[in-house]
Amino acid sequence: ELKVEQNPLFLSMQEGKNYTIYCNYSTTSDRLYWYRQDPGKSLESLFVLLSNGAVKQEGRLMASLDTKARLSTLHITAAVHDLSATYFCAVGTGNQFYFGTGTSLTVIP
Amino acid sequence: GAVVSQHPSRVICKSGTSVKIECRSLDFQATTMFWYRQFPKQSLMLMATSNEGSKATYEQGVEKDKFLINHASLTLSTLTVTSAHPEDSSFYICSARDSRALTEAFFGQGTRLTVV
Repeated sequence: ELKVEQNPLFLSMQEGKNYTIYCNYSTTSDRLYWYRQDPGKSLESLFVLLSNGAVKQEGRLMASLDTKARLSTLHITAAVHDLSATYFCAVGTGNQFYFGTGTSLTVIP
Repeated sequence: GAVVSQHPSRVICKSGTSVKIECRSLDFQATTMFWYRQFPKQSLMLMATSNEGSKATYEQGVEKDKFLINHASLTLSTLTVTSAHPEDSSFYICSARDSRALTEAFFGQGTRLTVV
């Protein structure tokens, strides 16, 4: 069974600071996804990474993928309060999606 | 992006009754749909994968007789929670894959089920 681990599980950071969320997975995959979830809401797609070395950026968020290390990162630059949410990575293999444990991010003014 | 509509968004039912949740792909055909369950402050747990016109594939530990899934058309899948009990209270989320763009999945708004 494919396992997807994120760390940290909880992250409290001050506005303006930078931080990285890590997503490790246990078996080969060709697709890696990042999602955002606000309380009581469903998932919002942030990034889809499809190849080794892929890097995508949107605003203050940047995601990268290293398929050889089975690692993806979500980097937050100069955090703002609006980024407070839970972030999930998910690994796609075949017809399945497997979600990470989630990282609950709180940005403190 | 593509739109997946899930209905209802919230439902409260009595123990022993059944509840049906609908998941529709509004602007694309979805040969495959997924049903997830999420407990508070936890990740999404895949319950089952449904393919249009065939039986759903359930994950280990998920009771197929309790969670009935029907994917009768390329735009609609339903999850029926039968004989619901308070422990079935949870957030249920569906997602659908566009048959023309298999790399992405799109998520419904989720359904908050409370069994009293």
